[in-house]
Amino acid sequence: NAGVTQTPKFRILKIGQSMTLQCTQDMNHNYMYWYRQDPGMGLKLIYYSVGAGITDKGEVPNGYNVSRSTTEDFPLRLELAAPSQTSVYFCASSYEAQERGTQYFGPGTRLLVL
Amino acid sequence: GESVGLHLPTLSVQEGDNSIINCAYSNSASDYFIWYKQESGKGPQFIIDIRSNMDKRQGQRVTVLLNKTVKHLSLQIAATQPGDSAVYFCAENGPRGGAAGNKLTFGGGTRVLVKP
Repeated sequence: NAGVTQTPKFRILKIGQSMTLQCTQDMNHNYMYWYRQDPGMGLKLIYYSVGAGITDKGEVPNGYNVSRSTTEDFPLRLELAAPSQTSVYFCASSYEAQERGTQYFGPGTRLLVL
Repeated sequence: GESVGLHLPTLSVQEGDNSIINCAYSNSASDYFIWYKQESGKGPQFIIDIRSNMDKRQGQRVTVLLNKTVKHLSLQIAATQPGDSAVYFCAENGPRGGAAGNKLTFGGGTRVLVKP
């Protein structure tokens, strides 16, 4: 299993541009999450999904959108990039029956908005 | 809002010594706590967890202590090794099935530097 994979690894955006951060997991996990991590800080939950077709807002959803058309994929969309969205983005997944802490994280996408 | 925070942003430890990382939480309804390790350039990795009905849990070279009276969580690493150099995060979660669902609230992180 590849686990949780994220693309791209790094991206530079201009203010106002849009992009989609891709996340895929091959563990058949029903729960998936998007976090952002600002320099020297902890992770903040952006959006999460408890299964295909179901998504919900986390702590910091403004400026982002998600979709969950399949169990495997959970893309994160930035429509109008702003400098405040410069961060490292982590996708994670977990299996409902597992302990809640067993979230498997991807390697992250580093985003710079100029 | 509810928050989880850490007392020390950086901890320097001599190789072979024990490390203690502290964390304070504010949500008295939280019933599940986790410690994650994040190495440079990588995503967080689960270390150990503890439920609120316990006050201590041990893993391989790691021990988590929970003091619900003062809402304090700590991670002890025995015989710290160079490979333990990383940022450590505590996280908390509310009761399963409640509004918090599977959502975790992370603290700000403590960097552990192991000196040879």
